[in-house]
Amino acid sequence: DIQMTQSPSSVSASVGDRVTITCRASQGISSWLAWYQQKPGKAPKLLIYAASSLQSGVPSRFSGSGSGTDFTLTISSLQPEDFATYYCQQANSPPGITFGPGTKVDIK
Amino acid sequence: QVQLVQSGAEVKKPGASVKVSCKASGYTFTSYDINWVRQATGQGLEWMGWMNPNSGNTGYAQKFQGRVTMTRNTSISTAYMELSSLRSEDTAVYYCARVKKDDFWSGYSFDYWGQGTLVTVSS
Repeated sequence: DIQMTQSPSSVSASVGDRVTITCRASQGISSWLAWYQQKPGKAPKLLIYAASSLQSGVPSRFSGSGSGTDFTLTISSLQPEDFATYYCQQANSPPGITFGPGTKVDIK
Repeated sequence: QVQLVQSGAEVKKPGASVKVSCKASGYTFTSYDINWVRQATGQGLEWMGWMNPNSGNTGYAQKFQGRVTMTRNTSISTAYMELSSLRSEDTAVYYCARVKKDDFWSGYSFDYWGQGTLVTVSS
C-alpha cells in the first residue's frame, strides 16, 4: 500500500494566521489526493479533492496544491471554526486507500 | 439532502461479530460506491473496504480480509458492514462514506459520511 505522511503533526496558530500542512506519498499518485477536516466527535468533512479542487460549500480560504508525491493544504486566514484535525488521503481507486496520520491545528 | 444514517452503538465480547448498518437517503443508492472507515479513540482514519451497491461487488483492505463482509439491501437503500472474530483492538468508531462522483474521474474521495457507530469490544 502507498504510505502517507503529514507534517507537522500539530501546529499552534492564531486567528488570521496562514497555515500550511504538507502531505507526502510513498510513491507517485498523480493528483489523486483529498483533504479532510475533522472536529472532535464528528465525521470527517471533505475539503479538497483531486489535489486542488475545492469541494462545494467549502470556504475559499482553503486551497490545495501539488502532484506526484508532495502536496500541501493551505488555510489563508485561520478562522475560529478551523481549529480541527486535518487528514490527507490518497485517492487512487481501491484497494489500498490510505490516510495520513493527521495534523492537529490548535489555538496558540 | 444526502444523508447516511448509521445504527447505534454496540458492545460486544471478544470473538463475537458485529453488523453495522448505513441507511442512505437523498440520492440514488445504487449509483455511488459506499466505503467503510474506522477510527480508534484518539487515532487516525483506517480504510476497511468498498462496496458497489448496484452490483454488490466488494473489495477489502488486506488487514481485514477474511473478517469483514460488506453487503447491501437495495430495497431499503441500506449498506451493512459485518466484522467477525472481534478483539479489543477493534474498538473504534466505524463510519460509512459515499464516494464522490463527477461527470469526469476526480479521484476516489468521500463526500458524505455517516455519523459514526461506536463499537466497543470488551469482556
